[in-house]
Amino acid sequence: DSGVTQTPKHLITATGQRVTLRCSPRSGDLSVYWYQQSLDQGLQFLIQYYNGEERAKGNILERFSAQQFPDLHSELNLSSLELGDSALYFCASSVAGLAKNIQYFGAGTRLSVL
Amino acid sequence: TQLLEQSPQFLSIQEGENLTVYCNSSSVFSSLQWYRQEPGEGPVLLVTVVTGGEVKKLKRLTFQFGDARKDSSLHITAAQPGDTGLYLCAGAGISGGSNYKLTFGKGTLLTVNP
Repeated sequence: DSGVTQTPKHLITATGQRVTLRCSPRSGDLSVYWYQQSLDQGLQFLIQYYNGEERAKGNILERFSAQQFPDLHSELNLSSLELGDSALYFCASSVAGLAKNIQYFGAGTRLSVL
Repeated sequence: TQLLEQSPQFLSIQEGENLTVYCNSSSVFSSLQWYRQEPGEGPVLLVTVVTGGEVKKLKRLTFQFGDARKDSSLHITAAQPGDTGLYLCAGAGISGGSNYKLTFGKGTLLTVNP
């Protein structure tokens, strides 16, 4: 158990819909990262928050947004969903904000867009 | 274009055999990490290498960072069924860029048969 909690584990929805994925980081970790994993693209960095502020952005679509709340949990919002958004979405957390710091990954949310 | 190329993509071997997987790039990284991911779980960090030419050992696993910090290898001695999983390399600070995000390779899926 990494200590990072992601909910829900599975999500099935239809094209055009909007969903919210939730992540609770390990106790004491200030940094939260979101990743998307698909068979063709592999694991892709989406966005990082550190202590409530956005720190780094990767290949995140404009239809996707995220935030980190004062209690340090984070949410990833995916809207106007397309079939191609079906993937595993992982959240990771670390104490500090550098990528070389140990990142602890949650078990992921499997999103299926039908 | 994949910034980090991993090879081979798939590897199936018998228990007790040795193996090496490779992670190559045309870009320089400030640090490189290896993760292992098992089905239904998030990646788990195995090692971080920072210095060109650095070698780190973790029991039967040996990790090497290339002198020019553009490539890395993971060698497993006397593989066991418990080593089965997806091995991912990830680099930070590509070509002097952001140290806040990781770029992942697509992974090597290793199966060790008893």
